[in-house]
Amino acid sequence: QKEVEQNSGPLSVPEGAIASLNCTYSDRGSQSFFWYRQYSGKSPELIMFIYSNGDKEDGRFTAQLNKASQYVSLLIRDSQPSDSATYLCAVDMNFNKFYFGSGTKLNVKP
Amino acid sequence: GAGVSQSPSNKVTEKGKDVELRCDPISGHTALYWYRQSLGQGLEFLIYFQGNSAPDKSGLPSDRFSAERTGGSVSTLTIQRTQQEDSAVYLCASSLASGANYEQYFGPGTRLTVT
Repeated sequence: QKEVEQNSGPLSVPEGAIASLNCTYSDRGSQSFFWYRQYSGKSPELIMFIYSNGDKEDGRFTAQLNKASQYVSLLIRDSQPSDSATYLCAVDMNFNKFYFGSGTKLNVKP
Repeated sequence: GAGVSQSPSNKVTEKGKDVELRCDPISGHTALYWYRQSLGQGLEFLIYFQGNSAPDKSGLPSDRFSAERTGGSVSTLTIQRTQQEDSAVYLCASSLASGANYEQYFGPGTRLTVT
C-alpha cells in the first residue's frame, strides 16, 4: 500500500512564529516531493517541490527531505495569518502517479 | 491567460444516474490529471493523460468510472450508475508535459453530490 501520511492538525502558531509541517511516505523509491497549499473551498496551489536530500529554501518557505527516513517537511518562517490554510504533501511514487496526504490544517493567530 | 476550467461547478444527481464532468486544460498543456477529494481528505489520483493517451488507469475506483480526452485538449470524466460514495469534489489539473518536473495547475473543481 503506497501511502503519504500527515498529521491532520489543526496546527496553531502565533503570527511571526515558525510553522513546521511534516509528512512521511511509504515508497522508499520515491524521487519527487511536493507541498501544496489549499485554502478552504479553493483548489490546491503548488508552493514548493524538492527532489534531493537536504533543504530547499524559497522566501519564507523551506522544504526538507530525508529519503533515508522517508520524511519530508515544510517550514514556514514569520508565519502570517494569510498562511492559514491546509497544506498537502504529495509524492510522485510511480512516474506521474501522485499520492497526496490528507493535509495539515494550519491556523496562524494574529 | 485562461486557467484550467471545469464544468459544471456543482452537480446534484440521483443515485443510479450517469454524470459527465468536463475539464478544459490550459492551452498548450499536454498532460492532464483527474483527482477526487472527499470532504476533509487529501486528493485521490484517478487518471492522467499524456496527449490523448492514458498510460495509467489503475486509479479509477471501479469500472463505473471512465475518462477520455480528445484532440489533446478537453477531457471528460464519466461516472455511470452513480453511488452516494461518489460524492466528492472532482479536480482536474494540467501541466505543460507529464513528469514531476512540470507544475500542475488545478481547476476550480466540480462538486458532485449523489442523493
